[in-house]
Amino acid sequence: QVQLVESGGGVVQPGQSLRLSCSASGFTISGYAMHWVRQTPGKGLEWVAVIPYHGNNILYADSVRGRFTISRDNSMNTLSLQMNSLTVEDTAVYYCATWAFTLGVDYWGQGILVTVSS
Amino acid sequence: EVVLTQSPGTLSLSPGEGATLSCTASQSVNTKFFVWYQQKRGQPPRVLIYQTSNRAAGIPDRFSGSGSGTDFTLTISRLEPEDFAVYFCQQYGSSPYTFGQGTKVEMK
Repeated sequence: QVQLVESGGGVVQPGQSLRLSCSASGFTISGYAMHWVRQTPGKGLEWVAVIPYHGNNILYADSVRGRFTISRDNSMNTLSLQMNSLTVEDTAVYYCATWAFTLGVDYWGQGILVTVSS
Repeated sequence: EVVLTQSPGTLSLSPGEGATLSCTASQSVNTKFFVWYQQKRGQPPRVLIYQTSNRAAGIPDRFSGSGSGTDFTLTISRLEPEDFAVYFCQQYGSSPYTFGQGTKVEMK
């Protein structure tokens, strides 16, 4: 059974940092690009970042570039998101996900809430 | 950035009726990298349609997708009770990957 389980969320103050992790089971992430996507009631779904299977050519949304760092550990089957200089606009449910639709792959975690508030 | 605008924001329909959801892009989108998701409350999105018109595994044939360039459509031929949800379009052909703001299909 495929699972993606996010952890590390919580409540932090503006300017602080947080590190999210995503642990995969039931499949090996090494063959897939991995994404972080976030969702807020007001702004809907927002793609955050992607790291290809080889770890090169990482891409970020403009809203997080320079503050967030996506990384992966294929040996541990985990994905991470280091979030620095957090602002209230970063408050959201964060999902880790991967998709390769032609291969029947569309895997999402259940999401983890990050709240940035003073 | 490719901005995806979905319309309408909300559709109020009855079971058995058909639904047509639109997604308009601010610039041309590669159809190979255009998808539709369904999301129910408290759940992550799940893909319905990929590459503009291909149904994902296990998706009933009452769901269909079409489109090219800047205009894309998701059609639900006859709404079942489980289809009342929020639908998002997404393009991942050019960075930043973007989602539409969603169309809520609610029961009238």
